Amino acid sequence: GENVEQHPSTLSVQEGDSAVIKCTYSDSASNYFPWYKQELGKRPQLIIDIRSNVGEKKDQRIAVTLNKTAKHFSLHITETQPEDSAVYFCAASTPAGGADGLTFGKGTHLIIQP
Amino acid sequence: DTAVSQTPKYLVTQMGNDKSIKCEQNLGHDTMYWYKQDSKKFLKIMFSYNNKELIINETVPNRFSPKSPDKAHLNLHINSLELGDSAVYFCASSLLAGPTPGELFFGEGSRLTVL
Repeated sequence: GENVEQHPSTLSVQEGDSAVIKCTYSDSASNYFPWYKQELGKRPQLIIDIRSNVGEKKDQRIAVTLNKTAKHFSLHITETQPEDSAVYFCAASTPAGGADGLTFGKGTHLIIQP
Repeated sequence: DTAVSQTPKYLVTQMGNDKSIKCEQNLGHDTMYWYKQDSKKFLKIMFSYNNKELIINETVPNRFSPKSPDKAHLNLHINSLELGDSAVYFCASSLLAGPTPGELFFGEGSRLTVL
């Protein structure tokens, strides 16, 4: 099945700086790559996603890039703010035939220092 | 007008007991899921279910069983609870599944503590 590796596990940045979280996946058939944000004690919520026919997608301060050849994708957050503090999960779609649904990375705890 | 709701939010029980967590979605989605999030925040899929098919992650013990009375509900029943079952269990739903899934909508989570 799909295996998703996510780094770093913890990332601390100064408010206003940029943050980058990187993920790799194992199954070249995967074609959907979402990012979820989970604030403390809350449910995970989708913040941005990208499909395999696109190399980059941007939504205000967040952007995601995908390199299908290298099988890695990244989340970029610019001008970080205190409300960006959360755990971020990358994920990749699991091709039909396995346990259907998304395979998540182990999460990155992003800490925004004032 | 909560999209995905699950109950109870907190559940404390003794080892060996049997418990259930209920989940309901009002989004009209065809596919529902159960995820387990352990103390290290790892999110791991346990089951996915649509009108046609139940797919089980092979690592899930058979003490865990999903039950779906209709497409808007997917309950989780756990027999003979063990200490290692302590976790937050998230129900989720999506409009699409398989190779082209859509956004996952999660419930608020049910924190299970086994003593």
